[in-house]
Amino acid sequence: DGGITQSPKYLFRKEGQNVTLSCEQNLNHDAMYWYRQDPGQGLRLIYYSQIVNDFQKGDIAEGYSVSREKKESFPLTVTSAQKNPTAFYLCASSPTGGSAYNEQFFGPGTRLTVL
Amino acid sequence: SQQGEEDPQALSIQEGENATMNCSYKTSINNLQWYRQNSGRGLVHLILIRSNEREKHSGRLRVTLDTSKKSSSLLITASRAADTASYFCATATSGNTGKLIFGQGTTLQVKP
Repeated sequence: DGGITQSPKYLFRKEGQNVTLSCEQNLNHDAMYWYRQDPGQGLRLIYYSQIVNDFQKGDIAEGYSVSREKKESFPLTVTSAQKNPTAFYLCASSPTGGSAYNEQFFGPGTRLTVL
Repeated sequence: SQQGEEDPQALSIQEGENATMNCSYKTSINNLQWYRQNSGRGLVHLILIRSNEREKHSGRLRVTLDTSKKSSSLLITASRAADTASYFCATATSGNTGKLIFGQGTTLQVKP
């Protein structure tokens, strides 16, 4: 089956710890995105990558880091510098990074809770 | 930055009724997209309308776009209990970055 997978589904972190959220896609899409969603809110863009080995900051990149070493993988690290990391994190991909007319395909999300 | 503002924030209707959700945005756009999110899940793309289009249909969905008023509406006809979800508009602004800016969403409850 083609699609986007995120793991883990639930993640608990102690204050001061870094954690890495996994996002993998087998859709052969060039572009990948990370969003944060807080309760009752829309999605805010953290980082995006239009092509492998390249990524750009979104609107709320502080306290987060990413890498894009492989086309199918776009892991997100939530660092201890992120002061309020408890949220629902969504990964998405789209066929090409240079088009405004692509729909985005979403993974099932990871719910991160800081204890 | 939140480009889209959606109205109403919450909507509750009976099965069989129509549901209308509105989205307003601030800057010029290439296209506007609507997504659906079931509770605790990822988003699913519903429909894309380009800036030079005024209306688009997909099954029971009808989307309109008024670029002069910077607004869009999503109409779901003959709603079903399975339509219960949150609905988000997302705008793709000028340039070809592929970035979308999402509104805060409308939560729709369809009562059986």
